Amino acid sequence: GAVVSQHPSRVICKSGTSVKIECRSLDFQATTMFWYRQFPKQSLMLMATSNEGSKATYEQGVEKDKFLINHASLTLSTLTVTSAHPEDSSFYICSALPPRGWHSGNTIYFGEGSWLTVV
Amino acid sequence: KNQVEQSPQSLIILEGKNCTLQCNYTVSPFSNLRWYKQDTGRGPVSLTIMTFSENTKSNGRYTATLDADTKQSSLHITASQLSDSASYICVVLRSNDYKLSFGAGTTVTVRA
Repeated sequence: GAVVSQHPSRVICKSGTSVKIECRSLDFQATTMFWYRQFPKQSLMLMATSNEGSKATYEQGVEKDKFLINHASLTLSTLTVTSAHPEDSSFYICSALPPRGWHSGNTIYFGEGSWLTVV
Repeated sequence: KNQVEQSPQSLIILEGKNCTLQCNYTVSPFSNLRWYKQDTGRGPVSLTIMTFSENTKSNGRYTATLDADTKQSSLHITASQLSDSASYICVVLRSNDYKLSFGAGTTVTVRA
């Protein structure tokens, strides 16, 4: 079964509205989660690193006021796309880093992704 | 310049045939290299993870190799099946800041 769960898997929103995507670590406590964006036929682009209890670290070129990240607990990180525009339409994926020694040996687990369409 | 380069960008193979995907990286200092399979519209799923001391690792019909001296890795798919059609992504982890570098992926299409 899924180790990292994302919700919703698909969402359509109107321009100017905000939409929240959740990333849950189901089997372990994740102090660090990552958020990626992926355009069709392209690789994943890291947007930000989310650390539990502290501010997220954003990659260069990613607007922190537009992509709000909250990592309030060890099993949940959220990405909120604020004032969404059609160009924000993309596939958003999260991943979670398990603690050292967790049985699967340092694998990073990805969520199933969330398709966002802004109309 | 991307620190992880994959080739070919895409390939088409007949069901039952073998294929090999390449990954060259410049990431340093190196921690480990991972191969992921990503079906269209889904999140990546881990196939193998290789550390500096590992040369070969298999997962079913998938066999990954690593040459840490030349900074090259390959993923070999044996007796391909239609379900192998996906994008295969090479990901390298840097050991000092735990940052991941992603290759652009190789899209594999298996045809009957």
